[in-house]
Amino acid sequence: EAQVTQNPRYLITVTGKKLTVTCSQNMNHEYMSWYRQDPGLGLRQIYYSMNVEVTDKGDVPEGYKVSRKEKRNFPLILESPSPNQTSLYFCASSPDRDSYGYTFGSGTRLTVV
Amino acid sequence: AQSVTQPDIHITVSEGASLELRCNYSYGATPYLFWYVQSPGQGLQLLLKYFSGDTLVQGIKGFEAEFKRSQSSFNLRKPSVHWSDAAEYFCAVGVYNNNDMRFGAGTRLTVKP
Repeated sequence: EAQVTQNPRYLITVTGKKLTVTCSQNMNHEYMSWYRQDPGLGLRQIYYSMNVEVTDKGDVPEGYKVSRKEKRNFPLILESPSPNQTSLYFCASSPDRDSYGYTFGSGTRLTVV
Repeated sequence: AQSVTQPDIHITVSEGASLELRCNYSYGATPYLFWYVQSPGQGLQLLLKYFSGDTLVQGIKGFEAEFKRSQSSFNLRKPSVHWSDAAEYFCAVGVYNNNDMRFGAGTRLTVKP
């Protein structure tokens, strides 16, 4: 089944403790992206990647890192999480930059205390 | 940069009634427009998209949307709502050759029995 898999689905952590949210897609998509969803703000893009080793900042990249060492994986790294990063995070992928049929993961609900 | 406004935060309709969710966009050229649906605890699913051509677009689950350039709108409609349509709906706008999509804040749909 074609899908985007995120792990974990739920995570509670403490301020300053480094964490990684994994994202993997099995569709050989070139383009991958991370969004955060906050009430009243919709989805805001954190980082995106056009292909392996090609990443760029979205609208709200502060406090986040990403890497794209393999085509299928696009982990989101929070080096020192803070409470304002409490949010619902989504990973998405599409075949390439001109294909807008995003496939979304099921989301990761992160709480930073 | 492009932007999207969904004027209605929450809409309640009775089962079997018609539905229209509003979406207004801001972009200088012809945009690419999308509607996504998010069921509770799930990721976003693409309902329909408009790139060019016929301004009335048919999507999945019986939804349709009409692009009106003069009004900068892309409203989503359904003739008869089912209880399973209760969800949050997001309008999004993209631009050619740039996978930077902007999402609206979302409209939550409640369906009364």
